[in-house]
Amino acid sequence: SQQGEEDPQALSIQEGENATMNCSYKTSINNLQWYRQNSGRGLVHLILIRSNEREKHSGRLRVTLDTSKKSSSLLITASRAADTASYFCAPSSGSRLTFGEGTQLTVNP
Amino acid sequence: GAVVSQHPSWVICKSGTSVKIECRSLDFQATTMFWYRQFPKQSLMLMATSNEGSKATYEQGVEKDKFLINHASLTLSTLTVTSAHPEDSSFYICSALTGDRGKVYYEQFFGPGTRLTVL
Repeated sequence: SQQGEEDPQALSIQEGENATMNCSYKTSINNLQWYRQNSGRGLVHLILIRSNEREKHSGRLRVTLDTSKKSSSLLITASRAADTASYFCAPSSGSRLTFGEGTQLTVNP
Repeated sequence: GAVVSQHPSWVICKSGTSVKIECRSLDFQATTMFWYRQFPKQSLMLMATSNEGSKATYEQGVEKDKFLINHASLTLSTLTVTSAHPEDSSFYICSALTGDRGKVYYEQFFGPGTRLTVL
């Protein structure tokens, strides 16, 4: 299965701290995507990293990908209360995405 | 750009009735759309892949006669929950692919979701 598994399941930090979430998967991929979901809302695409890339940045987000370990990490720097949400990774070899249980991030003001 | 809308955002219906949910790509053409359902505090479960002009591909365990999908145009896919029952109550989310089929890498853009409650 291409389903990603996020770790930890839940993370609670103070505003201003960095948050790191990890994702592991089992099959070969072409790319891996990270999404955010606020409670009761749709998913927001955060970043896509291709299998031939090792690191990618977007604003306060930094994503790494290690295809040899079949793992990825999402780092949110200088977190804000508005970053409170569930975060999902979606490894993919085509167009289908399958999601794990996600990491519930809570950023306390 | 790449905005996906869903309508309605929420719906309450009686058991036994049918409910139609629309998914539209507002500023791009989407040859492929996906339908997911999500139970509270759980992940998204892919239900089916909707391709414009052809039959939808359903995931294992999803009843195609129960969840009718129509992708009649490049900007619209509909999901009809037929003879709805309380266990169909869930959050239904669609997504649309950007890019053409020749691209290797895809980005999916998600709609805001539809909350279905069946009484």
